[in-house]
This record gives sequence, C-alpha cells and structure tokens, in this order.
Amino acid sequence: DIQMTQSPASLSASLGETVTIECLASEDIYSNLAWYQQKPGKSPQLLIYYANSLNDGVPSRFSGSGSGTQYSLKINSLQSEDVSIYFCQQNYDSPPTFGGGTKLELK
Amino acid sequence: EVQLVESGGGLVQPGRSLKLSCAASGFTFSNYGMAWVRQTPTKGLEWVASISTGGGNTYYRDSVKGRFTISRDNAKNTQYLQMDSLRSEDTATYYCARQRGRYYFDYWGQGVMVTVSS
Repeated sequence: DIQMTQSPASLSASLGETVTIECLASEDIYSNLAWYQQKPGKSPQLLIYYANSLNDGVPSRFSGSGSGTQYSLKINSLQSEDVSIYFCQQNYDSPPTFGGGTKLELK
Repeated sequence: EVQLVESGGGLVQPGRSLKLSCAASGFTFSNYGMAWVRQTPTKGLEWVASISTGGGNTYYRDSVKGRFTISRDNAKNTQYLQMDSLRSEDTATYYCARQRGRYYFDYWGQGVMVTVSS
C-alpha cells in the first residue's frame, strides 16, 4: 500500500495568516491526490482533487500544488471556520490511502 | 442537495454480523460509484469498499475481503455493507461516500458507529 505522511501533525496559526500543510507519498502518485477538511464532529469534505483542482463551493483561499511524491495544501488569509483537521488521500493505486491528518487550530 | 444517511450501526459481539445501509438523495444515484470509508482515532481514515454504478464490480481492502459485502439497490437509491465475522479491529465510525472518478469521495454521510465487543 502507498503510505501517505502529513506534516505537521498539528499547527497553530493566527487569523489572516497563510498556512501550508505538506503530504508526502511513499511513491510517485502522479498528482492523484485529494485534500479533505473535517470539522469537529463532522464528516470529511472534499476540498481539492487531482492535486490542484478546487471542488465546487470551496473558497478560493484554498489551493493545492505538488507533483511526484510531494504535495501541499495552502490556506490564504486564515478564517475562524478553517479550524479543522485536514487529510490528504492518494487515489493513484488501490487501496486508496489517507494521511494521518493535520490539526489546525487558531493561535 | 446531496444527502447520504447511514443506518444500522450498533454494538455487536465478535464473530457476529451487522448490515449498514446508506440512503441517498439529491442526485442520480445510479450514475455514481459508491463507497464505505471508516475512521478510528488510532488508525485514522481507511477505505473499506467500493461498488460500481450498476453493482457489477466491487472492490475491498484486504482486511475485509471475504467478510464484508458491498451492494446497492438503484431502485431504492440505497447502498449496503454486510459485515460478517466481525472483529474488534472493525470497531469504527463508518461513512457512506459518493465516489467520483477513481476513488475520490465528494460527499460523505454523517457516519454510523460500529462497536465490536463482547
């Protein structure tokens, strides 16, 4: 199985700040990478697919980039509603696998 | 509005069975692959199984092959997960998810808790 490693595991940032979350795949996943947001007590929601495509209804302050084995999620101008856990997921090979998550809190 | 509503969770003894259901609305159910994904605090998110639009193709993670069966009824806009020979390690919150493309999950249900314990 392809292993997905996220960093950092937790992150504290201030309102209006820009934050970046990293995701490293154990092998090349050819941009087959999704990012999800999970708010406290809620189910995950798809933010980005194919590494940099924004899902419908997702604010433009979210963006994704990367290639090969290294990917990142960037959140510009952090808002209070962005407090969540963020997961990356590869869908290049079966089984699809998820990163361990990055917990984003407000400073 | 897309809605996925799971039901059927609960407490079950090891070795017993449980069947989860997921009622879908707000989209043309028969046009989408569907999936089950589970989550635990220790293992995180784990894909469990997927099913094609017509139900003819099914896919499973290794640890549930031969024990779990995913199915769907397009006339009822519902998918199912039959879980047999349950183990303590199957304890998790199970999410029904709409699958887009190759294993992207663009809508998720609210989740249903399954606890396997004696």
